[in-house]
Amino acid sequence: DIQMTQSPSTLSASVGDRVTITCRASQSISSWLAWYQQKPGKAPKFLIYKASSLESGVPSRFSGSGSGTEFTLTISSLQPDDFATYYCQQYNDYPWTFGQGTKVEIK
Amino acid sequence: QVQLQESGPGLVKPSETLSLICSVSGGSFSSHYWSWIRQPAGKGLEWIGQIDTSGSTNNNPSLKGRVTMSVDTSKSQISLKLSSVTAADTAVYFCARGKNWFDPWGQGTLVTVSS
Repeated sequence: DIQMTQSPSTLSASVGDRVTITCRASQSISSWLAWYQQKPGKAPKFLIYKASSLESGVPSRFSGSGSGTEFTLTISSLQPDDFATYYCQQYNDYPWTFGQGTKVEIK
Repeated sequence: QVQLQESGPGLVKPSETLSLICSVSGGSFSSHYWSWIRQPAGKGLEWIGQIDTSGSTNNNPSLKGRVTMSVDTSKSQISLKLSSVTAADTAVYFCARGKNWFDPWGQGTLVTVSS
């Protein structure tokens, strides 16, 4: 299975900060990567596909980049609604696998 | 827009079979893949498997052949059966639309394995 490792596990930030989350794959996954946002008690919300393509309706402050084994999710200016846990997911090889999550907390 | 709703028993005894249904409404059911994902309390997400509306499936080998999925296009429903459950199968179970990425998701249903 392809292992997905996110860093950091927890990130403390303030409203307005630029935030970057890293996701590393145990082998190359080309650009076959998605990102999700999850709030407590809720289902994940789909944000980005193919590493950098923003899903319709997702605010433009979210962006994704990377290819191969290293990827990033960036929030350009953190908003109160963005405090949540973020997951990456690879869809290069079955079984699809997720990172362990990065919790973005209020500083 | 399309909405998904999971349903099924919230409590299952060890060694028995967990059975869940995902009902889809408000959008197209056919020509899509439908996936199951679970999340133990306080932990990350695990992909269980997926099925398309012709019945073709892909499952996570980590579940060691315990997974059976089916589709009922007349009811716009998919079902999940997980056999020989243990406490490690206690989790919130989500259904979601999609083959490669998942959108949208159901709200999830908590299944506890306990005697």
